[in-house]
Amino acid sequence: DGGITQSPKYLFRKEGQNVTLSCEQNLNHDAMYWYRQDPGQGLRLIYYSQIVNDFQKGDIAEGYSVSREKKESFPLTVTSAQKNPTAFYLCASTYMGLAGVKNEQFFGPGTRLTVL
Amino acid sequence: GNSVTQMEGPVTLSEEAFLTINCTYTATGYPSLFWYVQYPGEGLQLLLKATKADDKGSNKGFEATYRKETTSFHLEKGSVQVSDSAVYFCALISNFGNEKLTFGTGTRLTIIP
Repeated sequence: DGGITQSPKYLFRKEGQNVTLSCEQNLNHDAMYWYRQDPGQGLRLIYYSQIVNDFQKGDIAEGYSVSREKKESFPLTVTSAQKNPTAFYLCASTYMGLAGVKNEQFFGPGTRLTVL
Repeated sequence: GNSVTQMEGPVTLSEEAFLTINCTYTATGYPSLFWYVQYPGEGLQLLLKATKADDKGSNKGFEATYRKETTSFHLEKGSVQVSDSAVYFCALISNFGNEKLTFGTGTRLTIIP
């Protein structure tokens, strides 16, 4: 089955600790994304990557870091600099289609991070 | 910049009622438009999409028509079921510029038997 997997589903972290969220896709998609979702709000983009070894900041990148060493993997690190990290984190990917046409993004099941 | 405004919830309907969730947008260029659905504790699933003006997206009894003249993409279903209870997000991506999906704030729908 092709899809996007995120692990773990639930994650607890003590204040001051860094934590890394995993995102893997076997859809052969070029682009991958990280979003943050807070209750009653839409999704906000943290980082995205359109190609291996390259990524761009989204709207709320402060306190987060990413890497894209392989096409299928795009891990997100929530650092101790992120002031309010408790949230639901969603990873997504998409394929690069015809020039000028942007395609839908496919989402993973999410990781719920709670800072204790 | 791009923005999506959708009907605030929560929305509560009886089973078999008609559903409309309004969505309007502001965008540069010619965006592609999407409706996503999120069930409790899960990620988002694409419900339907439309990539150009007057296109109608449809899936599982849901429909939405891309109206460029009113910059709208309202979601409709003729007869809702309890299993349709979820949060619905309207979103757009511009076909020019960066790859960012812009989301509305979501509308929580509850269907009562």
